[in-house]
Amino acid sequence: NAGVTQTPKFQVLKTGQSMTLQCAQDMNHEYMSWYRQDPGMGLRLIHYSVGAGITDQGEVPNGYNVSRSTTEDFPLRLLSAAPSQTSVYFCASSGGVGTEAFFGQGTRLTVV
Amino acid sequence: KQEVTQIPAALSVPEGENLVLNCSFTDSAIYNLQWFRQDPGKGLTSLLLIQSSQREQTSGRLNASLDKSSGRSTLYIAASQPGDSATYLCAVRLIKAAGNKLTFGGGTRVLVKP
Repeated sequence: NAGVTQTPKFQVLKTGQSMTLQCAQDMNHEYMSWYRQDPGMGLRLIHYSVGAGITDQGEVPNGYNVSRSTTEDFPLRLLSAAPSQTSVYFCASSGGVGTEAFFGQGTRLTVV
Repeated sequence: KQEVTQIPAALSVPEGENLVLNCSFTDSAIYNLQWFRQDPGKGLTSLLLIQSSQREQTSGRLNASLDKSSGRSTLYIAASQPGDSATYLCAVRLIKAAGNKLTFGGGTRVLVKP
């Protein structure tokens, strides 16, 4: 009964380092998304995917890359971390247009 | 641009009182609206999904209403308990939004005092 699983839960990076946030879902959902949550800004969409091999940009895509090689996995890559990327990152999945979204437990990232 | 507002930002009630949480949105061309609960340091838990064609949706002590034409939804939690203390977020899904994108409100932080 895993749902959406994100790893790691916590991460501290130095400016300029790169890393990948992992997201996996076991519900065979076509749609997956990455959001970031910041105080006073709410949750904002970074990137999304509507199926394996198909990704697109959300509201705040700069500094992030994604790919979707399988239905289950949707990793988010930070190429060169910046302090402005300090945030809590959430991965979500849903079965299709207009369907209920399910969220992972989040990754709390600090860039120093 | 769709804007979603939740007022008040914080709410404190004694145990047993009914909770009324408000959500308003500017663009009424929505598929549906979803209510979430977020505990400190945790992820979002889906509470209710109410379709644009529905007036209300119920699950246990929770009831969500939707008035699409006026751009409002209300989440009612009956007989509140200390375990209901959390932040409640509403999010709308626009018909024209790609990728099943959700637009979130800022949330209402609820404290239920024993």
